[in-house]
Amino acid sequence: SDLSQPPSVSVFPGQTATIDCSGDNLGERFVCWYHQKAGQSPVLVMFRDSERPSGIPERFSGSNSGNTATLTITGAQALDEGDYYCQAWDSKVFGSGTKVTVL
Amino acid sequence: QVQLVQSGSEFKKPGASVKISCTPSGYTLSSYTMNWVRQAPGKGLDWMGWINTDTGNPTYAQGFTGRFVFSLDSSLRTAHLQISDLETDDTAVYFCARVGDGFFFDVWGQGTLVLVSS
Repeated sequence: SDLSQPPSVSVFPGQTATIDCSGDNLGERFVCWYHQKAGQSPVLVMFRDSERPSGIPERFSGSNSGNTATLTITGAQALDEGDYYCQAWDSKVFGSGTKVTVL
Repeated sequence: QVQLVQSGSEFKKPGASVKISCTPSGYTLSSYTMNWVRQAPGKGLDWMGWINTDTGNPTYAQGFTGRFVFSLDSSLRTAHLQISDLETDDTAVYFCARVGDGFFFDVWGQGTLVLVSS
């Protein structure tokens, strides 16, 4: 994968989790984010860098600039646990994935 | 409700072939392009490529040429992924995923486990 993500992020309930996705000139490419819980299919949580699909809570936000895209979960909840993957739309390549743990 | 329904788990020996199906419900297959994604046990998502569901023209990602074939059935109602000459490293869950009205995969199948073992 040419998109790098931290392997894991831990956050206390109610606190803010940030997940970075790094790649060459990523800010010039549309990025989307998926959330996958164990044993389930991925679910889209952010598209076109910062747009939330219908049904995704407002605590999820996204940004993309320079070489880094970021998914932020403000006020994390237990149900936000799981793996998060970024995807650069021009290449369709996925990031390496980040496991989010809500402590 | 829009969903993608995939065929069930497959257990194969090395060297065999497998064909996985992905059938849309709630929309017509030809209306949206279909992608395939592999997830090996305990690993991340690996984009395999996509098929134009209007023309049937496939595009394969690097690393998924030769033994992997995307196709549509003659009724154009189901997408297929066929893998030939299976290797133990092909053991994975395979997902089909629809490209939504924008730059994202908006609907995913439930995944099909392919287990390759002698």
